[in-house]
Amino acid sequence: DAGVIQSPRHEVTEMGQEVTLRCKPISGHDYLFWYRQTMMRGLELLIYFNNNVPIDDSGMPEDRFSAKMPNASFSTLKIQPSEPRDSAVYFCASSLRVAGKLPYEQYFGPGTRLTVT
Amino acid sequence: DAKTTQPNSMESNEEEPVHLPCNHSTISGTDYIHWYRQLPSQGPEYVIHGLTSNVNNRMASLAIAEDRKSSTLILHRATLRDAAVYYCILGMNYGGSQGNLIFGKGTKLSVKP
Repeated sequence: DAGVIQSPRHEVTEMGQEVTLRCKPISGHDYLFWYRQTMMRGLELLIYFNNNVPIDDSGMPEDRFSAKMPNASFSTLKIQPSEPRDSAVYFCASSLRVAGKLPYEQYFGPGTRLTVT
Repeated sequence: DAKTTQPNSMESNEEEPVHLPCNHSTISGTDYIHWYRQLPSQGPEYVIHGLTSNVNNRMASLAIAEDRKSSTLILHRATLRDAAVYYCILGMNYGGSQGNLIFGKGTKLSVKP
């Protein structure tokens, strides 16, 4: 299996520009998570989906952030407009949850390092 | 959510055992104990998990205190590749469904050759 795939691996953009991060989960997984990692705040959960439906977006910092999952094999995290404080590493993770069988491992992608100047 | 407490950093010598402690005094009876690690410039990866009994896998061992208020991740022979941040996380159990993993600051393990 190829694992969780994220693109791009690095993104440098100017303040005010739109940024789109992409994620392909592991085939067959039914949960997808977006995390953000910074030195100050560590690893934070932004949003997660179950069967392509957003379940909890309480971690999304503000309206400039949006996430979609149009199908089981693709998700995007969009920032519009971007700001310097959005600079971070963004991770996507996926998980397969089997009813009655705990726990569920999360498989993380390599991350996208975003720099907003 | 129940929290975990870990030392900020630890050092080890290569090929020696490493014991990484974690306190979770507010753990509830059905919560799992997970360990993930994050190698430099990579995403976190699963290491091991346990509920009540000690667990072994190819990567590590997990020793869980009898009262479950603490646990220890054991790397039997540290290698340079084991240098990483190790996260101890409680997997909340909501009636058979797992809550989200909440990552703390973890323990940064340095391995000296």
